[in-house]
Amino acid sequence: KQEVTQIPAALSVPEGENLVLNCSFTDSAIYNLQWFRQDPGKGLTSLLLIQSSQREQTSGRLNASLDKSSGRSTLYIAASQPGDSATYLCAVRNSGYALNFGKGTSLLVTP
Amino acid sequence: NAGVTQTPKFRILKIGQSMTLQCTQDMNHNYMYWYRQDPGMGLKLIYYSVGAGITDKGEVPNGYNVSRSTTEDFPLRLELAAPSQTSVYFCASSSWTGDNQPQHFGDGTRLSIL
Repeated sequence: KQEVTQIPAALSVPEGENLVLNCSFTDSAIYNLQWFRQDPGKGLTSLLLIQSSQREQTSGRLNASLDKSSGRSTLYIAASQPGDSATYLCAVRNSGYALNFGKGTSLLVTP
Repeated sequence: NAGVTQTPKFRILKIGQSMTLQCTQDMNHNYMYWYRQDPGMGLKLIYYSVGAGITDKGEVPNGYNVSRSTTEDFPLRLELAAPSQTSVYFCASSSWTGDNQPQHFGDGTRLSIL
């Protein structure tokens, strides 16, 4: 059974810092990995999807990397802003239909 | 483009009551999913559907039922509500299950059972 772990569980940084969120998974036979953003009381917004054949994806200030062999992904946020404050979820898809989610990293960016 | 729409947004039920959580998508996606999110936990798949008339169980299906009569709609039914079903329920959809297809989520239904 796929287990997805996100470290740290919570993170507080001052505005302008670059930061890295970590995601690890136990079964490397994945189809893809998705990073989501969840604001309090809201749904999930898809940020980036990395296919199993890819090493990274970029969108604006966000860069996600994937190392299947070591079972790791990182989400890099450049020049953080208070509006980036949210919970970030990592989800891995294996051969079935379900996404296997981590518990998330709660990010607070202070002005 | 509305995407995935869930209703209601909030609901309080008494133990033993029943209700249906509604989910509709306007992206013509074949695949639809129901997840639940408990506090401090990752989302878990309840049921999924690969097309109209076809549904299957996910990881935590007990206490729930689904139907898929149209491509757009995928309602989730709770027959006898129990306190353990207090959670946030998310509906999602995807166009197909290729490795480059993201799942798109609704805003969730927050359900409390007292």
